[in-house]
Amino acid sequence: DAKTTQPPSMDCAEGRAANLPCNHSTISGNEYVYWYRQIHSQGPQYIIHGLKNNETNEMASLIITEDRKSSTLILPHATLRDTAVYYCIVRAPNAGGTSYGKLTFGQGTILTVHP
Amino acid sequence: DSGVTQTPKHLITATGQRVTLRCSPRSGDLSVYWYQQSLDQGLQFLIQYYNGEERAKGNILERFSAQQFPDLHSELNLSSLELGDSALYFCASSVGTGAPHEQFFGPGTRLTVL
Repeated sequence: DAKTTQPPSMDCAEGRAANLPCNHSTISGNEYVYWYRQIHSQGPQYIIHGLKNNETNEMASLIITEDRKSSTLILPHATLRDTAVYYCIVRAPNAGGTSYGKLTFGQGTILTVHP
Repeated sequence: DSGVTQTPKHLITATGQRVTLRCSPRSGDLSVYWYQQSLDQGLQFLIQYYNGEERAKGNILERFSAQQFPDLHSELNLSSLELGDSALYFCASSVGTGAPHEQFFGPGTRLTVL
């Protein structure tokens, strides 16, 4: 799976959009971009994923650049409850071997939403 | 609520002991994954089962073992426990395996080895 690079921390004002960047310059053509978050020792929570096109769901939007080397997770109206560690993960489809299906978590971005 | 359940929530035990962590996946999910989160190592993949069969192994110690039962619940067995095994242990489940299937995580079991 491709390696990802995220800023260690970011701040955002409550009610504003939070834009979390992720670089994955070595991504392969069949690898998906996933975003998870973890709120203070709770189980990681799935947010969104995409392959090539931009995606939106009730939680967030995912913008993937045309060359797929980077992406941005957008929380449109951040709240205090969005304070968490956000992980960007690149993952291949059924790859077989020892990497079969696992998620590889990096250090993530600590997002702090301020009142 | 992800639909994945884990028991117990907390476990305190002594070095050298053996414990069993239990996970029930979401209804309909065939894959179960185990992850360990310690302060110095972050979230690390341990092992995956799919429909009762082991599919992938991560950095799982030989003292640790797991299995998935016919009803698809899974157990992670940790033996000869050491202080360094103290961590959060998460179970996740998914319908299939690999992308694009997302994984849903349980609330975790916090293991403290004294």
